[in-house]
Amino acid sequence: DAGVIQSPRHEVTEMGQEVTLRCKPISGHNSLFWYRQTMMRGLELLIYFNNNVPIDDSGMPEDRFSAKMPNASFSTLKIQPSEPRDSAVYFCASSGRTGFTEAFFGQGTRLTVV
Amino acid sequence: DQQVKQNSPSLSVQEGRISILNCDYTNSMFDYFLWYKKYPAEGPTFLISISSIKDKNEDGRFTVFLNKSAKHLSLHIVPSQPGDSAVYFCAASETSGTYKYIFGTGTRLKVLA
Repeated sequence: DAGVIQSPRHEVTEMGQEVTLRCKPISGHNSLFWYRQTMMRGLELLIYFNNNVPIDDSGMPEDRFSAKMPNASFSTLKIQPSEPRDSAVYFCASSGRTGFTEAFFGQGTRLTVV
Repeated sequence: DQQVKQNSPSLSVQEGRISILNCDYTNSMFDYFLWYKKYPAEGPTFLISISSIKDKNEDGRFTVFLNKSAKHLSLHIVPSQPGDSAVYFCAASETSGTYKYIFGTGTRLKVLA
């Protein structure tokens, strides 16, 4: 298995532009998580999907952020409009089942908003 | 409100000695705890876990201890090796509840050769 795949690996965009981050979870996993890594807050959970349904989006910072999971093999995180303070590394992770199991992370997307 | 806290942002240890990384949590509903290791430019990778029914779990050089009454867990690495230099994240989950992984802010471990 190729693991969790994220694209792009790096994204540089101008303030005000729309940014879309993509994630392909591990096949067969039914839970998907989007995290943002910052120095101050560490790995901050943004949103969590189970069986393609958003279960908890309380970590989404504001309305500029949105996430979708149209099917079991694809998810997007969109920021519109982007702001410099959104600059961070965004990780996608997936997990195989509820219960005592770990989440597997992708390599992340480093977003820079200038 | 940080439910999982790692109060030491960094730690330096001599090669061959013990590394002890600490983590505190506030939510008594957490029943599964994990440690992840992260190298630069890579995603976090799972290292070791422990469920709340245990107080210790060992895997090679890595041991995790859980003190439920104190809401505290620790990761021991013995002996420490230069390749262990990385950022270590503690995470917690409610397996019977909302089932999401809450992470701490991480501790950067540097093992000196």
